[in-house]
Amino acid sequence: EPEVTQTPSHQVTQMGQEVILRCVPISNHLYFYWYRQILGQKVEFLVSFYNNEISEKSEIFDDQFSVERPDGSNFTLKIRSTKLEDSAMYFCASRDTGGYNSPLHFGNGTRLTVT
Amino acid sequence: KQEVTQIPAALSVPEGENLVLNCSFTDSAIYNLQWFRQDPGKGLTSLLLIQSSQREQTSGRLNASLDKSSGRSTLYIAASQPGDSATYLCAVPPDYNNAGNMLTFGGGTRLMVKP
Repeated sequence: EPEVTQTPSHQVTQMGQEVILRCVPISNHLYFYWYRQILGQKVEFLVSFYNNEISEKSEIFDDQFSVERPDGSNFTLKIRSTKLEDSAMYFCASRDTGGYNSPLHFGNGTRLTVT
Repeated sequence: KQEVTQIPAALSVPEGENLVLNCSFTDSAIYNLQWFRQDPGKGLTSLLLIQSSQREQTSGRLNASLDKSSGRSTLYIAASQPGDSATYLCAVPPDYNNAGNMLTFGGGTRLMVKP
């Protein structure tokens, strides 16, 4: 079964550094998302992306965050200057064109540790 | 603002028991509700999606019901097995007009099924 692939599985970075988290959504999907989960807390929405633009973003997704679909397969999340509180599990998700009742498919996540 | 609550936060049962996980949401004008499973250190796997017009959905030993008017959904697991041990999350879109974007997640129920 097709799946969403995320790399790396674990990223350690120093505060203030830039990180790029990478995702390869399922090939025929057109809607893309980033969510995060701080340890012990709820899964939180960051951003949704469709037709090469952001369709919605949360309050968490400030100017330090950006997303990009540089080619036909990759979907990236960039954090320009990481903070300690950015430490979390970051999940990429995608959805096909079957309307709002098609389920979200999640990757296994990237654990980001900011030291 | 949509808020989602799951009770209980943790549950430990012997193998073979039937069990019910609960999810409640504050805004009943939802487009659908989705149940996910999360294994430790892993991503989220979609289990069932119930459309707003449906009362329940079944997949194998899993049955999810939806009562929009009372803002509740239940996930029923029949004849539980140790392999069912995981965290179960429910999630809803914010409201009927924003069904395609962000999902709001509950805090999850951590289930342990003992052999």
